[in-house]
Amino acid sequence: EAQVTQNPRYLITVTGKKLTVTCSQNMNHEYMSWYRQDPGLGLRQIYYSMNVEVTDKGDVPEGYKVSRKEKRNFPLILESPSPNQTSLYFCASSPREGLYTGELFFGEGSRLTVL
Amino acid sequence: EDQVTQSPEALRLQEGESSSLNCSYTVSGLRGLFWYRQDPGKGPEFLFTLYSAGEEKEKERLKATLTKKESFLHITAPKPEDSATYLCAVQRNTGFQKLVFGTGTRLLVSP
Repeated sequence: EAQVTQNPRYLITVTGKKLTVTCSQNMNHEYMSWYRQDPGLGLRQIYYSMNVEVTDKGDVPEGYKVSRKEKRNFPLILESPSPNQTSLYFCASSPREGLYTGELFFGEGSRLTVL
Repeated sequence: EDQVTQSPEALRLQEGESSSLNCSYTVSGLRGLFWYRQDPGKGPEFLFTLYSAGEEKEKERLKATLTKKESFLHITAPKPEDSATYLCAVQRNTGFQKLVFGTGTRLLVSP
């Protein structure tokens, strides 16, 4: 089954404790991206990657890191989480041509709470 | 700065009661406007792409239309299974890697 898989789905952590949210897709998509979704603010892009070893900042990259060492994986790293990073996070992927149609495939989300 | 505003924030309909959702946008050089559906606890699911004013797309009870300043998602004779949050997003001609999303309209269709 074609899918984007995120882990963990739910996480409660404390300020300053490094964490990684993994994202994996099995569709051989070139493009991958991370979004956060907050009430009243909608989905905002954190980082995106057009291919292996190619990443770029989205609109809200502060406090986050990403890497793209393999085509299928695009982990989101919070080196020192803070309470303002409490949010619902979504990973999305698309084939290159899908970028022109806006057809992104989203994971089911990871709800992160930072105390 | 690109902006997407959706209204209303929430809409409650009776089954069979048709209505429209609005997406107003400001973008420098629109490449495409997209509609997504998001069910509770799930990621958004792609519905439509619209590229130019006057264009229309249909899928079952949904029809999306586009003007130079806004898009409408018309829902004809909705059913309870149409209940979801509907998101609108825009993409620029330049920087097409980025989509700017609105905050969505929560639709509840009662039987």
